Amino acid sequence: DGGITQSPKYLFRKEGQNVTLSCEQNLNHDAMYWYRQDPGQGLRLIYYSQIVNDFQKGDIAEGYSVSREKKESFPLTVTSAQKNPTAFYLCASRSTSRGPTDTQYFGPGTRLTVL
Amino acid sequence: KQEVTQIPAALSVPEGENLVLNCSFTDSAIYNLQWFRQDPGKGLTSLLLIQSSQREQTSGRLNASLDKSSGRSTLYIAASQPGDSATYLCAVLYYGGATNKLIFGTGTLLAVQP
Repeated sequence: DGGITQSPKYLFRKEGQNVTLSCEQNLNHDAMYWYRQDPGQGLRLIYYSQIVNDFQKGDIAEGYSVSREKKESFPLTVTSAQKNPTAFYLCASRSTSRGPTDTQYFGPGTRLTVL
Repeated sequence: KQEVTQIPAALSVPEGENLVLNCSFTDSAIYNLQWFRQDPGKGLTSLLLIQSSQREQTSGRLNASLDKSSGRSTLYIAASQPGDSATYLCAVLYYGGATNKLIFGTGTLLAVQP
């Protein structure tokens, strides 16, 4: 089955710890995205990557870091500098071969809770 | 500032009723508009995508319309079922050269009562 996988489904972090959220896709998509979702708010873009070894900050990149060493993988690290990391994190990918109008496909999400 | 607003925030209807969800956006220079469904604790599933040159799209019991000039879209759900209960998100795509940006609304939480 083609799709996007995110792991873990639930993640607990202590204050001051860095944690890494995994996102893998086998859709052969060039572009990948990380969003944060908080109750009562829409999805907000953290980072995105259009091609391997390149990524750009989104609207709320502070306290987060990413890497894109492989086309299939786009891990997100939530650092201790992120002051309010408790949220639902969604990864998405998109094919760029059909231009900008193709839809983004979303993974199942990771719920991060700071203890 | 590019913003997307969805009204109402929550809606409860009896099974079988037709209903309309609303989405408005401040910047009309959109590339396309999408409606997504999100079940509790899950990712997003794309329902309908309307290109900026189109007026509406239909899929089964769902019909989405787009009025770009007035900055509005509606999602019409016919003969609602309990299985339609979910959060419905509207997202607008703005294209800027090499990048594109999806702006999401805050969603409408729909409950269909059996």
